[in-house]
Amino acid sequence: GDSVTQMEGPVTLSEEAFLTINCTYTATGYPSLFWYVQYPGEGLQLLLKATKADDKGSNKGFEATYRKETTSFHLEKGSVQVSDSAVYFCALSVTNAGKSTFGDGTTLTVKP
Amino acid sequence: GAVVSQHPSRVICKSGTSVKIECRSLDFQATTMFWYRQFPKKSLMLMATSNEGSKATYEQGVEKDKFLINHASLTLSTLTVTSAHPEDSSFYICSATRSPESIQYFGAGTRLSVL
Repeated sequence: GDSVTQMEGPVTLSEEAFLTINCTYTATGYPSLFWYVQYPGEGLQLLLKATKADDKGSNKGFEATYRKETTSFHLEKGSVQVSDSAVYFCALSVTNAGKSTFGDGTTLTVKP
Repeated sequence: GAVVSQHPSRVICKSGTSVKIECRSLDFQATTMFWYRQFPKKSLMLMATSNEGSKATYEQGVEKDKFLINHASLTLSTLTVTSAHPEDSSFYICSATRSPESIQYFGAGTRLSVL
């Protein structure tokens, strides 16, 4: 079946440090890939997405590139801020309007 | 656009009582709604998939008689935790999708505490 494996946390960084959170997947078919972010006490919200190979999703300084050859969708940000502290979930969806498969989440803490 | 409202945000109840959680898509008609349970420092556990006018599809290991899901309209799904017990205490999150997107739009979650 479909699965998503993401980097175990927690990840602790100093402000302005470079961030990478690894995500790899296995899927039948051609999935769409997503990163969701969950701030403390809240639900998840979409951070960025990519729907086909070599697409790059970007939002709020975060980027991730859909790499079919390595089945990866790593999340990166060049300079993190304290406000980026949250839990980040990598996910995939194979069918339109269908359910998604989520990774276990990676907790990021950014210290001033 | 694509706002999902979940209510209540927090509920405390006595053991043996039932609790209803509502999930509404405010500005779109939801093709499908999903219910998740999230344990502390754990990932999302999909409980069930809900389509308007049909019975929910429950994931393996989820008791459908305990977690009743009703999807009466394209904008509203409810989860009722029946005869709640302390082990049902958790963070419950709903999400909705709108065709043809596969993006999930999440509610803010409901923190259930059963005493």
